[in-house]
Amino acid sequence: LAKTTQPISMDSYEGQEVNITCSHNNIATNDYITWYQQFPSQGPRFIIQGYKTKVTNEVASLFIPADRKSSTLSLPRVSLSDTAVYYCLVGVRNTPLVFGKGTRLSVIA
Amino acid sequence: NAGVTQTPKFRVLKTGQSMTLLCAQDMNHEYMYWYRQDPGMGLRLIHYSVGEGTTAKGEVPDGYNVSRLKKQNFLLGLESAAPSQTSVYFCASSYRTTRDSNSYEQYFGPGTRLTVT
Repeated sequence: LAKTTQPISMDSYEGQEVNITCSHNNIATNDYITWYQQFPSQGPRFIIQGYKTKVTNEVASLFIPADRKSSTLSLPRVSLSDTAVYYCLVGVRNTPLVFGKGTRLSVIA
Repeated sequence: NAGVTQTPKFRVLKTGQSMTLLCAQDMNHEYMYWYRQDPGMGLRLIHYSVGEGTTAKGEVPDGYNVSRLKKQNFLLGLESAAPSQTSVYFCASSYRTTRDSNSYEQYFGPGTRLTVT
């Protein structure tokens, strides 16, 4: 499985847009990029998934450049409730996910 | 739908004791997984199952056994608990995605907090 690298922590003020970038230089042709969110004392929750270009849903946007060696999760106008750990994962369908340490996002009022 | 449920929510064991953690899902998912998460760390895969009656080792399988006798249940057993197994255990499940499906979502349970003294 491709290894991912993402910042350990980030701080943001309420109402700002937050961009978390993940590096995955060894991504394979069949790999998808998936992001999960985890609140304290809860299991991770799926946010968004993509293969190339841009994907948007009601929660976030995912930007993937043409070479797919990195991806950026964009959270629009964050609120205090977005304080969580965000995991970037890369893998092939139907294979177990490998979670790194994630990025701890702290939203400040 | 209850989604993914885990039993028990909390447990304290003494070193050497055994116990079984139960995971149940009502989404008819083929795949099920057991992870452990230590403080400040990401999740590490213990064992997983791609279908009823099948199991496979993950990243940290030592000291654990699993069984998937029914599609909806995935059991994690600790034969002789050790303090190093103090952790939060998460179960997850997912569909087997098809060639035409991009969905790759795992659904997680609320976790079981285990302390071994």
